[in-house]
Amino acid sequence: EIVLTQSPGTLSLSPGERATLSCRASQSVSDNYLAWYQQKPGQAPRLLIRDASRRATGISDRFSGSGSGTDFTLTISRLEPEDFAMYYCQQYGNSPRTFGQGTKVEI
Amino acid sequence: QVQLQESGPGLVKPSGTLSLTCAVSGGSITSTNWWSWVRQSPGKGLEWIGEIFHNGRVNYNPSLKSQVTISIDKSKNQFSLRLNSVTAADTAVYFCAREGYYYDSGGYPFDYWGQGTLVTVSS
Repeated sequence: EIVLTQSPGTLSLSPGERATLSCRASQSVSDNYLAWYQQKPGQAPRLLIRDASRRATGISDRFSGSGSGTDFTLTISRLEPEDFAMYYCQQYGNSPRTFGQGTKVEI
Repeated sequence: QVQLQESGPGLVKPSGTLSLTCAVSGGSITSTNWWSWVRQSPGKGLEWIGEIFHNGRVNYNPSLKSQVTISIDKSKNQFSLRLNSVTAADTAVYFCAREGYYYDSGGYPFDYWGQGTLVTVSS
């Protein structure tokens, strides 16, 4: 199975700053089928980015995804208070589907 | 707007069977999407359990394959999870989710999720 490793584990930033989150795969992700999700306490994950770089419906353009193969990045251009949450990457190009362990973006 | 809602017992005894159902509204379960179960525990993070298509085709996570059965009921627009021989390690929040098909790329990300239900395995 493809193992996804996210870094850093925790990112401490202030509102207005830029956040850069990394996701590295143990092998190439087929067709760059890599998604990013945001999760807040007590809630389900919310799809932000699909296919490595396509924003999901209704997602702010402050969120952008990039990368291919084994290295992927989620960038939040200017952090808003509601952006402080957990973020997970996930690959859906291979079975079994797998998730990264998450990056916490905190104030 | 597609909505998913999990239901089932919140407490299961060790060695028993965990059974959950996911009701889908706002869309047909016979559309070109897969339907999945994902769980989340503090120790293991997010873990994909398995998926089903409306024709009954299933794929399971190899790590759980011996324990898992996912089924679909098209007449009720819902799908279900059975997890046999549970232990404390199966205590988690269980989510159902849609893997939506996107024509522009052919991929199936998890685009709609239920709110999740906590299942505790304890005597």
